[in-house]
Amino acid sequence: DGGITQSPKYLFRKEGQNVTLSCEQNLNHDAMYWYRQDPGQGLRLIYYSQIVNDFQKGDIAEGYSVSREKKESFPLTVTSAQKNPTAFYLCASSIGAGGTPYEQYFGPGTRLTVT
Amino acid sequence: EDQVTQSPEALRLQEGESSSLNCSYTVSGLRGLFWYRQDPGKGPEFLFTLYSAGEEKEKERLKATLTKKESFLHITAPKPEDSATYLCAVQFTGATNKLIFGTGTLLAVQP
Repeated sequence: DGGITQSPKYLFRKEGQNVTLSCEQNLNHDAMYWYRQDPGQGLRLIYYSQIVNDFQKGDIAEGYSVSREKKESFPLTVTSAQKNPTAFYLCASSIGAGGTPYEQYFGPGTRLTVT
Repeated sequence: EDQVTQSPEALRLQEGESSSLNCSYTVSGLRGLFWYRQDPGKGPEFLFTLYSAGEEKEKERLKATLTKKESFLHITAPKPEDSATYLCAVQFTGATNKLIFGTGTLLAVQP
């Protein structure tokens, strides 16, 4: 089955530690995205990548980093510089980016708790 | 400022009681409007894409419509399994595949 996988489902970290969230897709999509979801707020874009080895900051990139070394993988690192990292993190992908507005397909999410 | 507003924030319906959810937007140029369904603790599930005013899309008990300033998600004869949060997102001119999301409508359908 084609889809997007995120791991782990739940993640607990101590304050001051960096943590990396995994996102893999087998849909052969070019574009991938990371969002953050907090209660009472809409999804907010952290980073996105339109093609391998290229990525752009979204609206709330501070304290996060990404890499796109393979088409199917787009890991997100939450660094100790992120002031409020506890949230539900969602990875998404779309066929392309630019031109026609393509729908984005989401993974199951990772709930990160930092104490 | 580009903005997406969804109303109501929460809606409780009896099984079979039809209703509509609203998504209004203020963007400089609409390229596409998307509806998603999200169950608790899960990622959003894609439902519909609408591109231009007057367009309609249907899927089972759901029908999405679009005007120049808002979109409606009509739910006909809902069932308890339709209970979820429904999210609206907009892509606007000049934003390469960047979506602006509303905060969602939490729908509860009572048997």
